[in-house]
Amino acid sequence: GQNIDQPTEMTATEGAIVQINCTYQTSGFNGLFWYQQHAGEAPTFLSYNVLDGLEEKGRFSSFLSRSKGYSYLLLKELQMKDSASYLCAVRDSDYKLSFGAGTTVTVRA
Amino acid sequence: TAGITQAPTSQILAAGRSMTLRCTQDMRHNAMYWYRQDLGLGLRLIHYSNTAGTTGKGEVPDGYSVSRANTDDFPLTLASAVPSQTSVYFCASSEGQGGGADTQYFGPGTRLTVL
Repeated sequence: GQNIDQPTEMTATEGAIVQINCTYQTSGFNGLFWYQQHAGEAPTFLSYNVLDGLEEKGRFSSFLSRSKGYSYLLLKELQMKDSASYLCAVRDSDYKLSFGAGTTVTVRA
Repeated sequence: TAGITQAPTSQILAAGRSMTLRCTQDMRHNAMYWYRQDLGLGLRLIHYSNTAGTTGKGEVPDGYSVSRANTDDFPLTLASAVPSQTSVYFCASSEGQGGGADTQYFGPGTRLTVL
């Protein structure tokens, strides 16, 4: 099974940078995903890491350390529309996703 | 493109009644999934299907059943609803080819209240 931990809430100012950490314990690791979910909407895919290191995609970057069971999602140049929940998900050897409870990010002007 | 559709958008159901939540995808994805999302618990997998004709149990399957008669449709049935099944239900699909990201794409969700 998976045990996935991420902070419940974070607040940041428009234009700033926020880093959302995710730690996991897994019986079999086959990739880590970050999803964004606006209130009342479906989760949408942000990033995927399967090897150690940083994946950059525009204002969003995701980092993975498999040996430490650790990932973070970095949001740069925050915009008001980035206010949402960010879900960390780990895929196991059976290709099933287990999700953390999500981190609600509030961006303030 | 429609992607994944779910119906109904929301429903209030009396305890003990049965209900089927519908999910249809038009991406010809092999794999489909049903999750429930509860405050503070995140998304939890109920059932999944790797390909038409096959299904499997997820983390929280009790009280739910699924079928996968064809590639596009993956209905979720609650045989006798209980209040603890009050939740938001998301259907998702992925190519299911194995390897690579095999990203899951989510439908808009069904908000179910069992009284």
